[in-house]
Amino acid sequence: NAGVMQNPRHLVRRRGQEARLRCSPMKGHSHVYWYRQLPEEGLKFMVYLQKENIIDESGMPKERFSAEFPKEGPSILRIQQVVRGDSAAYFCASSPREDGETQYFGPGTRLLVL
Amino acid sequence: GESVGLHLPTLSVQEGDNSIINCAYSNSASDYFIWYKQESGKGPQFIIDIRSNMDKRQGQRVTVLLNKTVKHLSLQIAATQPGDSAVYFCAEQGDSSYKLIFGSGTRLLVRP
Repeated sequence: NAGVMQNPRHLVRRRGQEARLRCSPMKGHSHVYWYRQLPEEGLKFMVYLQKENIIDESGMPKERFSAEFPKEGPSILRIQQVVRGDSAAYFCASSPREDGETQYFGPGTRLLVL
Repeated sequence: GESVGLHLPTLSVQEGDNSIINCAYSNSASDYFIWYKQESGKGPQFIIDIRSNMDKRQGQRVTVLLNKTVKHLSLQIAATQPGDSAVYFCAEQGDSSYKLIFGSGTRLLVRP
């Protein structure tokens, strides 16, 4: 019974490149959440998706960031033209419930922008 | 004792002692609260949760207390072990019902 899977675990990009972060939710979970964590801080909500739908993207920067959760395959968080300030750990969580309770987190992707 | 470090407050306890980690939450309308444990380089791990219609909930070696009057949450760990060393976050679920709002975290150090 695999947990939430994220890849890559570590990602290094130069300024201006694109970063693609992938998240496979737990089996049977159709609700996916992305959070960002800066060093020594708590996680900050970015976006909530269900299959093929973005439900709430109020935590996402308006530019350069996008997310999807297609009918088949993992959820993708995409960051275009990365800047140094994008360096952070990005965590995905999944839940079987629409109310968002019992969110299980993946191991995260640590993005470093040079 | 408890001290405020450069970034995260740190609680240092002796192995075998009980630990109490505190959290003040922000939204009086929040009705669901969770404690997570995060070890270095890993994702948050669910420990225990509590709904706002309860004051106390117990798990294995852990107890969560909720005081809605002062918007305060605490996590008690009995017989603290070296493996308990980690950063602990409280999270509240606000009136949007699915978005988790995390506190700033407390680092727990267990001295052997």
